[in-house]
Amino acid sequence: QVHLQESGPGLVTPSDTLSLTCTVSGYSISNGYYWGWIRQPPGKGLEWIGTVYHSGATYYNPSLKGRVTVSVDTSKNQFSLRLTSVTAADTAVYYCARVYNSGWTGDFQHWGQGTLVTVSS
Amino acid sequence: QSALTQPPSASGSPGQSVTISCTGTSSDVGAFNYVAWYQQHPGKAPKFMMYEVSKRPSGVPDRFSGSKSGNTASLTVSGLQAEDEADYYCSSYAGGNNWVFGGGTKLTVL
Repeated sequence: QVHLQESGPGLVTPSDTLSLTCTVSGYSISNGYYWGWIRQPPGKGLEWIGTVYHSGATYYNPSLKGRVTVSVDTSKNQFSLRLTSVTAADTAVYYCARVYNSGWTGDFQHWGQGTLVTVSS
Repeated sequence: QSALTQPPSASGSPGQSVTISCTGTSSDVGAFNYVAWYQQHPGKAPKFMMYEVSKRPSGVPDRFSGSKSGNTASLTVSGLQAEDEADYYCSSYAGGNNWVFGGGTKLTVL
């Protein structure tokens, strides 16, 4: 059973870079599937951030393009999120997740527990 | 890209059926049969409930069903149970390798 766990700072200063890592267990990222980041501001809905394939191919939400980078490290069985120039609007619970099948899709079946990142000085 | 439109709330009594709508545009929901639904209990990660409009992942009760007409997708929960009380989110492929979520619907079991 695949398991995902987010890690990273819970507090980020405005204008700085938010960096999170998702550690995967129970499945080798190098075997395939798409892996993504989704966020949820407190009391609000979900927002897809971006997705990475084991090959390193990436796809991003156009509203965040230019600020977001998703990357994969198959040697560590991890994938990561970097979001630059953060503001209070980037305060959210950030989830990492894996899609439900081996094809290109944004339907996420396996989710991490989520990690709250607060942007504040 | 704009979020898909969902009613903020829905409710029903135990045993009843309730339908939650998810309205998009001809560029997302109306253009593709790639609508998914997620259930989220407070403080928990979303749970994958439906994909490709009406397909249930393994383990999801058949009380949950999905459909689509034009630019609107729907999730129907039949035989409502107390544990169905949660927030529900739809998502859709929006073309150009983009995915968009709905704003969420809080389902209350009366």
